[in-house]
Amino acid sequence: EDQVTQSPEALRLQEGESSSLNCSYTVSGLRGLFWYRQDPGKGPEFLFTLYSAGEEKEKERLKATLTKKESFLHITAPKPEDSATYLCVMNTGFQKLVFGTGTRLLVSP
Amino acid sequence: NAGVTQTPKFQVLKTGQSMTLQCAQDMNHEYMSWYRQDPGMGLRLIHYSVGAGITDQGEVPNGYNVSRSTTEDFPLRLLSAAPSQTSVYFCASRFDGVGVNEQFFGPGTRLTVL
Repeated sequence: EDQVTQSPEALRLQEGESSSLNCSYTVSGLRGLFWYRQDPGKGPEFLFTLYSAGEEKEKERLKATLTKKESFLHITAPKPEDSATYLCVMNTGFQKLVFGTGTRLLVSP
Repeated sequence: NAGVTQTPKFQVLKTGQSMTLQCAQDMNHEYMSWYRQDPGMGLRLIHYSVGAGITDQGEVPNGYNVSRSTTEDFPLRLLSAAPSQTSVYFCASRFDGVGVNEQFFGPGTRLTVL
């Protein structure tokens, strides 16, 4: 069964304290992996798409990487406005997306 | 562009009532979908559509109906609401061309069924 597992469930950081969020997946045929950010009371907002192992994408303080079994979202020198839930989503084929349950990130000033 | 819009933002129903959640997008996306988000679970696909007049079931379709008469609109109907349908509902759309295309989500409808 295709599965996405995100860890940790929750992460509390001090402003400027870098860390990484993990997304491990088991899938018969990965056809892309997405990272989304979700703020409380809002819909998910697209961040990155990764297609193949070794690929990296960056946006401001965020960098997403992909291996054959995992994806990481690295957060460098986070700010309080980076506080949100980060969702990992796997695309396994036509119309088939598998969502992780997310990592709730809280960045304190 | 307004993107994906949903109404209402909040709704409380009694068991057995029916209602329609509205979704519209102005990006000319062919593909539209409905998800529900429950605590401790990832988003789950309810129904989706690849174009006007074409709909199909997702992972959790029971108790919900959809139709797609235009490219822009994709309403979700609850036929006879049950407490198990208490959830946050998200509508999403994406370009349906070649490749892996990200979805754009609406702001959600928080539904409580008493």
